[in-house]
Amino acid sequence: GAVVSQHPSRVICKSGTSVKIECRSLDFQATTMFWYRQFPKQSLMLMATSNEGSKATYEQGVEKDKFLINHASLTLSTLTVTSAHPEDSSFYICSARDRRGGSWETQYFGPGTRLLVL
Amino acid sequence: GQNIDQPTEMTATEGAIVQINCTYQTSGFNGLFWYQQHAGEAPTFLSYNVLDGLEEKGRFSSFLSRSKGYSYLLLKELQMKDSASYLCAVGVSGGYNKLIFGAGTRLAVHP
Repeated sequence: GAVVSQHPSRVICKSGTSVKIECRSLDFQATTMFWYRQFPKQSLMLMATSNEGSKATYEQGVEKDKFLINHASLTLSTLTVTSAHPEDSSFYICSARDRRGGSWETQYFGPGTRLLVL
Repeated sequence: GQNIDQPTEMTATEGAIVQINCTYQTSGFNGLFWYQQHAGEAPTFLSYNVLDGLEEKGRFSSFLSRSKGYSYLLLKELQMKDSASYLCAVGVSGGYNKLIFGAGTRLAVHP
């Protein structure tokens, strides 16, 4: 089956630093990747849609200058949390859509990255 | 706007049947998804309904009524490992098709 990886799986950083999270599709090409954030006991909130070769589309209320997204290739998207603060501590999950399939079922989720900002 | 409602928590007994309801109000509706998520893990796909009716897949079934903006996930022969959060998500078409998730229902299965 299709596999999506995320790195790192968990990260602890100091307030004010920047953190980069990678999302990779390991055995398929993904023209579209999605970034979600999930706070404890809450559901996934879509942050932005990342498309290879173009600017990301951000959801309302998400600061694009704070959450930088780069979809550099058909298998890699990165999310950089700039000047992280404790309130940015959350579970960040990416998903990738297989470019070959138009079906919704061809969207695969990564294992998530747990960010803790001290 | 988008609005998806599902119960916050449910409990059930091992071996029993449980139904988790989801109601939604969205624009650009393009299908209803159910995902299972264990604590600290990513969601895993369970089902997808785009037409009205019941879709059965082993112990899990999902139902959709587009006119009522209503779906349910039916879990039969519950097992302890079914204790998890169940997320209802609506597919929304637009420039980039995307998923909008409900808050999730935490299901606890007891012996």
